[in-house]
Amino acid sequence: GAVVSQHPSRVICKSGTSVKIECRSLDFQATTMFWYRQFPKQSLMLMATSNEGSKATYEQGVEKDKFLINHASLTLSTLTVTSAHPEDSSFYICSARRRGRVDTQYFGPGTRLTVL
Amino acid sequence: DAKTTQPNSMESNEEEPVHLPCNHSTISGTDYIHWYRQLPSQGPEYVIHGLTSNVNNRMASLAIAEDRKSSTLILHRATLRDAAVYYCILGYSGNTPLVFGKGTRLSVIA
Repeated sequence: GAVVSQHPSRVICKSGTSVKIECRSLDFQATTMFWYRQFPKQSLMLMATSNEGSKATYEQGVEKDKFLINHASLTLSTLTVTSAHPEDSSFYICSARRRGRVDTQYFGPGTRLTVL
Repeated sequence: DAKTTQPNSMESNEEEPVHLPCNHSTISGTDYIHWYRQLPSQGPEYVIHGLTSNVNNRMASLAIAEDRKSSTLILHRATLRDAAVYYCILGYSGNTPLVFGKGTRLSVIA
């Protein structure tokens, strides 16, 4: 099966610092990656879509200067939460679409971010 | 986005079949029907997807109504490990992302 990994699995940081989360497709090339976040007892909310080599497309209400997304290769996308604040504490999940297979998304295990 | 309607929660006894319904009356001809599940503190896990015909895999079966306005995910023998939130999602055959609704929380009783 297609495997997507995320690193780190959990991170605790102080308010005002920046945090980078990596998302990798381990055994396939991902032309498109997606970033979601999930607050407790809620569903996943799409943040942005990123295509390899181009700028990410952000959903309405998501600040692109705060959540920096880079998709530099077909197997790696990064999400950087800049100047994190406690309200950014959430479960961040990435997802990847396999090259040549547009009908299925594969999800990473998620990253739990806690901002103190 | 095309929307789906699912019951908030369902309960099943262990080792019994479970039928999880999903209504999607506004589905378009190019929408795939996807099912994912999410265990606590984990990313969603792919379960099954289909377009028009019923589908089977090692995890589950997907029964799609003839008019495609509803579908049912069938777990043939529920186990405690099947307790999760199950999401029914419509997706295009393209670059558009999957948009999650609230899903159905399945509880499995031993």
